[in-house]
Amino acid sequence: AQSVTQLDSQVPVFEEAPVELRCNYSSSVSVYLFWYVQYPNQGLQLLLKYLSGSTLVKGINGFEAEFNKSQTSFHLRKPSVHISDTAEYFCAVSPYGGSQGNLIFGKGTKLSVKP
Amino acid sequence: KAGVTQTPRYLIKTRGQQVTLSCSPISGHRSVSWYQQTPGQGLQFLFEYFSETQRNKGNFPGRFSGRQFSNSRSEMNVSTLELGDSALYLCASSLYQGINEQFFGPGTRLTVL
Repeated sequence: AQSVTQLDSQVPVFEEAPVELRCNYSSSVSVYLFWYVQYPNQGLQLLLKYLSGSTLVKGINGFEAEFNKSQTSFHLRKPSVHISDTAEYFCAVSPYGGSQGNLIFGKGTKLSVKP
Repeated sequence: KAGVTQTPRYLIKTRGQQVTLSCSPISGHRSVSWYQQTPGQGLQFLFEYFSETQRNKGNFPGRFSGRQFSNSRSEMNVSTLELGDSALYLCASSLYQGINEQFFGPGTRLTVL
């Protein structure tokens, strides 16, 4: 079975500062990894995904994440955040060979960007 | 291209009632998944449908059921509602089963009184 832990439930940060949202997973098998963003009163939007290959993955809106197999982590980073990045961010996994339609999500991290 | 639509957007029911939620996927998408989102439990997978067949099911009681029609539209039903069923129910569609990007709808907010 897989599980996902997002280490911070809330992250406040000032505009134009860098941010890192942490995600660790537990799995006995190889996994695919994803980061989604949810804006208020909206569904989820895919930011980026790691399926295989380069461990540094670039996504939309200037976000990137690095897959670290030895530490079972997939932390999300952005070098300079904007007010519009205020949202909730979810890390998710799917077992290798499985379906993206059957994701296991972390509890989410609320990013609050202050002016 | 229109996105994933879910109806209704908001719903209020009382304990013991049953409810049906609807999801229309993006045109051409054949896979539909459902998730329940609550403050306490977070996002939890309910079911995944592809070509009118349930392919995966999450750890929910039998009161939760779903189906998919030949046009890929999907419905989920919850019978004998409990207070704990109050949640945002999200539907997501993708082209096929497997690692294809999922597109989420805005959700249906269900409140059980």
